[in-house]
Amino acid sequence: QLQLQESGPGLVKPSETLSLTCTVSGGSISSSSYYWGWIRQPPGKGLEWIGSIYYSGSTYYNPSLKSRVTISVDTSKNQFSLKLSSVTAADTAVYYCARLNIVVVVAASLLWFDPWGQGTLVTVSS
Amino acid sequence: SSELTQDPAVSVALGQTVRITCQGDSLRSYYASWYQQKPGQAPVLVIYGKNNRPSGIPDRFSGSSSGNTASLTITGAQAEDEADYYCNSRDSSGNHLEVVFGGGTKLTVL
Repeated sequence: QLQLQESGPGLVKPSETLSLTCTVSGGSISSSSYYWGWIRQPPGKGLEWIGSIYYSGSTYYNPSLKSRVTISVDTSKNQFSLKLSSVTAADTAVYYCARLNIVVVVAASLLWFDPWGQGTLVTVSS
Repeated sequence: SSELTQDPAVSVALGQTVRITCQGDSLRSYYASWYQQKPGQAPVLVIYGKNNRPSGIPDRFSGSSSGNTASLTITGAQAEDEADYYCNSRDSSGNHLEVVFGGGTKLTVL
C-alpha cells in the first residue's frame, strides 16, 4: 500500500525558505503513471495546490506561488521536495504531499490526488 | 486561473439525501474529483471522474456532472459523513498543468 510522509522543520522565520520532503513508500516514485504534488491548507481555510512534479523532473506550479516555489525529485531516495522562499505569516499552513493521477480521454480528462500524506504544520514566525 | 465555487455550508437530516455542488468553467472540459476531510485529518478521495469510488468508499457517495457544475450526492447521510468536502479539477485556462480546488463545503448532519 502506497504511503507518503512529509518531513521538515515545523517553524520557519519570516523571509527565510521553507523546505519539506515527502518520502514515498510501498511504491516507486519513478512510475510513469503518476505525478506527485504539494498542497497546503492555512488554519481554518481551504486547500491550495502548490505544484506538482513528474519523475522525470518536469514541474508545474500554481501561478500565484510560482516565483517562490521549487519542487524537485530524488528518485534514488524515492522522495520529492518543496522549497518556498521568502516566507511570511501567510505561508503558515498544514502542508500535504500526495500522488497525483491524471487521465486523459477524448471526451474529458480528469485528475485526482490519492493517497495523501498525513500533513505537517509549518508555522512562520520569528 | 479559473475558480471552482462551492457553497460554504450545507446541512442534511440523518438518513436523508444531500447534494454538494461545485461550479466552474473548467468543469466543462474536465471532470471533478471530491475529497472528504474530517477535523485534524488529511483529505480522503471519495469520488473521481464521472462517478468512480475508490476502494473502501461507501456506495452512498456518488458523483455527477452537467455543464459547468459537478455534484457530489450522499444518499442516506450518516453521522460519520459530517465533514468538509472539496472538489478539484484541472484548470482549463492555460496550456500547462494547473490544478484548482473549490473553497470547500462544510456538511452538517442533523
